[in-house]
Amino acid sequence: DIQMTQSPSSLSASVGDRVTITCRASQSISSYLNWYQQKPGKAPKVLIYAASSLQSGVPSRFSGSGSGTEFTLTISSLQPEDFATYYCQQSYSTPFTFGGGTKVEIK
Amino acid sequence: EMQLVESGGGLVQPGGSLRLSCAASGFTFSNSWMHWVRQAPGKGLVWVSRTNTDVSDTSYADSVKGRFTISRDNAKNTLYLQMNSLRAEDTAVYYCARGWERRLDYWGQGTLVTVSS
Repeated sequence: DIQMTQSPSSLSASVGDRVTITCRASQSISSYLNWYQQKPGKAPKVLIYAASSLQSGVPSRFSGSGSGTEFTLTISSLQPEDFATYYCQQSYSTPFTFGGGTKVEIK
Repeated sequence: EMQLVESGGGLVQPGGSLRLSCAASGFTFSNSWMHWVRQAPGKGLVWVSRTNTDVSDTSYADSVKGRFTISRDNAKNTLYLQMNSLRAEDTAVYYCARGWERRLDYWGQGTLVTVSS
């Protein structure tokens, strides 16, 4: 199975900050990498698919990059509604494993 | 509006069985690959299973293989997860989600399964 490792596991940031989250795959997954946002008590929501494509309706301050084994999610200017937990997921091969999550908290 | 609504969760004893349902509306269910994902209390997301449009191609996480079975009724627009030989570590919120172009683009609100004596 492909292991997905996210870092950091948590971070504190202020409104307006640029935030970067990293996800590493245990083997090459080409660009089959998705990013999800989850708020407490809610279902996850897809933000980025295929490593760098923005899901319809998602603000343009979210962006993704990378291929192979290293990927990043960037929030260019953190907004109050962005405080949440973020997960990467590989869809290269089943099981479609998730990373452990990154909790973004208010500084 | 696309909607997925899970049901069937509850309290079950270790070794017991439960069947979850996921009712779909607002999209062509019969053309959609579907997934189950779970989340233990306070923990991260774990992919559980997925099926293609006619259940001829299914896949499972190692942790549930041989105990869980994914199925669907396209006439009823409903996805199922039959869970047998349940263990305490299966306690989680179970989400169904639509798979679209290799991403999970729509999710239900989840149903809680608690395995405890």
